[in-house]
Amino acid sequence: DAKTTQPNSMESNEEEPVHLPCNHSTISGTDYIHWYRQLPSQGPEYVIHGLTSNVNNRMASLAIAEDRKSSTLILHRATLRDAAVYYCILISNFGNEKLTFGTGTRLTIIP
Amino acid sequence: NAGVTQTPKFRVLKTGQSMTLLCAQDMNHEYMYWYRQDPGMGLRLIHYSVGEGTTAKGEVPDGYNVSRLKKQNFLLGLESAAPSQTSVYFCASSREFGSGANVLTFGAGSRLTVL
Repeated sequence: DAKTTQPNSMESNEEEPVHLPCNHSTISGTDYIHWYRQLPSQGPEYVIHGLTSNVNNRMASLAIAEDRKSSTLILHRATLRDAAVYYCILISNFGNEKLTFGTGTRLTIIP
Repeated sequence: NAGVTQTPKFRVLKTGQSMTLLCAQDMNHEYMYWYRQDPGMGLRLIHYSVGEGTTAKGEVPDGYNVSRLKKQNFLLGLESAAPSQTSVYFCASSREFGSGANVLTFGAGSRLTVL
């Protein structure tokens, strides 16, 4: 299964944009890139996903490199409520039921 | 619309005791999953189910059993609890099979302590 690599932790100032990187150099052509986040004492929640093109939704934007070997989750204006662990995972179009999550990136927002 | 509900939220067991964690979803999802989360380990898949009456092993299945007798419920059992099973357990469900657009919905978690 293709793996992802993320920094263990990042800090950002409140009301500033945040760019969370993810490397997935062994990604296959049928793998979608998904991002989830886990707020303190809660279960993970879906943030965004994409295949090749950049994606935007009300929570964030996803920028995917042209070779798809890396991606960046962009929070346009961080708030204290965005402090969480962010997970980047790959989900295959061929029934990848064994969805695994790594340790993610712990994002700290500085007031 | 409750989404994914886990019961109980907290439980303390003694070594050797048995218990069952219940996960219920009201979204008519086919897929259901049980994960455990330990400090510094991320989420690890214990067992999963691709439909009613079917279950399969994940990354760390030893010491656990599961059942999916009804589509909306996925039960995780510990027959003889061990301190190493102290963890936070998360249930998740998803609608689609064989799609990279598969989105998981997680429950709030069940914190289990084995003394």
